[in-house]
Amino acid sequence: AQTVTQSQPEMSVQEAETVTLSCTYDTSESDYYLFWYKQPPSRQMILVIRQEAYKQQNATENRFSVNFQKAAKSFSLKISDSQLGDAAMYFCASLIQGAQKLVFGQGTRLTINP
Amino acid sequence: GAVVSQHPSRVICKSGTSVKIECRSLDFQATTMFWYRQFPKKSLMLMATSNEGSKATYEQGVEKDKFLINHASLTLSTLTVTSAHPEDSSFYICSATRQLLATEAFFGQGTRLTVV
Repeated sequence: AQTVTQSQPEMSVQEAETVTLSCTYDTSESDYYLFWYKQPPSRQMILVIRQEAYKQQNATENRFSVNFQKAAKSFSLKISDSQLGDAAMYFCASLIQGAQKLVFGQGTRLTINP
Repeated sequence: GAVVSQHPSRVICKSGTSVKIECRSLDFQATTMFWYRQFPKKSLMLMATSNEGSKATYEQGVEKDKFLINHASLTLSTLTVTSAHPEDSSFYICSATRQLLATEAFFGQGTRLTVV
């Protein structure tokens, strides 16, 4: 079975500071993908960043980067220089290669304090 | 980019009636579409996976006779909530992929269903 766990229901950070959101996953497969999605108040799901499990290098997208620890099955998201527009629910998700279904974590609500 | 559009964005219906939600891929052919349900402040719960031209595959615990899914074309999938009741009130989200077993999904903006 494939599971994704986000242990932080809520996080807050001061504007311009850095915040890290945690995610752990469990799978017996070797080929899989990991994602972070953002869901702002509009409820539109937006892909923030993705990581292929076979790649050792951590993915980065501008202010967003991940710390992918494959042995520990950990996939945290770091947001640098936090902006008010980063306030949202963040979901970690996994997808097994060859499967169709995304498995989501419980979500972390991120608040940005001005 | 790949755009997925859901319609309507909000709908209110009377208890006992049926309501249809559409999910369209606007600029690509969607081999597979997914339907999710999201409760307030909760994660997305996959309801069913729909491959074009095939019957939808429902997740355990989802009533297939209540949540009818049709994926008759490569750009349109519909979710019909039959004989809706207040407990069916929720936020429904669709997503689509360009090809079978694709690793990137594109999400619609969601539909807020309220059953009164």
